[in-house]
Amino acid sequence: DGGITQSPKYLFRKEGQNVTLSCEQNLNHDAMYWYRQDPGQGLRLIYYSQIVNDFQKGDIAEGYSVSREKKESFPLTVTSAQKNPTAFYLCASSIDWQSYNEQFFGPGTRLTVL
Amino acid sequence: KQEVTQIPAALSVPEGENLVLNCSFTDSAIYNLQWFRQDPGKGLTSLLLIQSSQREQTSGRLNASLDKSSGRSTLYIAASQPGDSATYLCAVLRSGYALNFGKGTSLLVTP
Repeated sequence: DGGITQSPKYLFRKEGQNVTLSCEQNLNHDAMYWYRQDPGQGLRLIYYSQIVNDFQKGDIAEGYSVSREKKESFPLTVTSAQKNPTAFYLCASSIDWQSYNEQFFGPGTRLTVL
Repeated sequence: KQEVTQIPAALSVPEGENLVLNCSFTDSAIYNLQWFRQDPGKGLTSLLLIQSSQREQTSGRLNASLDKSSGRSTLYIAASQPGDSATYLCAVLRSGYALNFGKGTSLLVTP
């Protein structure tokens, strides 16, 4: 089955730790995205990548980092510089970055800071 | 800055009713609009995508319309079922790369 997988489903982080969220897709999509969802708020864009070895900051990139070494993988690292990381993180992809393309989402990772 | 608003924030209807969810956006220069469904603790499922040049899209019991000039979209659900209970999110595509989301409408369909 084609789709987007995210792991782990739940993640707990201690203060001062960096953690990495995994996102993998087998849809052969060029573009990938990371969003953050907080209760009572809409999803907000953290980073996006239009193609391998290229990525751009979204609206709330501070305290996060990404890499795009392979087409199918777009991991997100939440660093200790992110002051309020507890949230639901969603990865998405689209065929490419053209304006008409539908975005598809993974099942999400819930991150909690202890 | 693009603002996306969804009204109502929550809605409860008896099974079998037809219902309309509303979405408005402040900047009409959008590329497309997507409606999503989100079940509690889950990811987003894409329901319908309307290109900026289109007026509506249909899939089964769902029909979405788009009026760019007035900055509005509606999602019509016919003959609602308890399985339709979920949060429905509207999102508009800006600048060719990222979606702007509303906060969603939480729908409960009671048997």
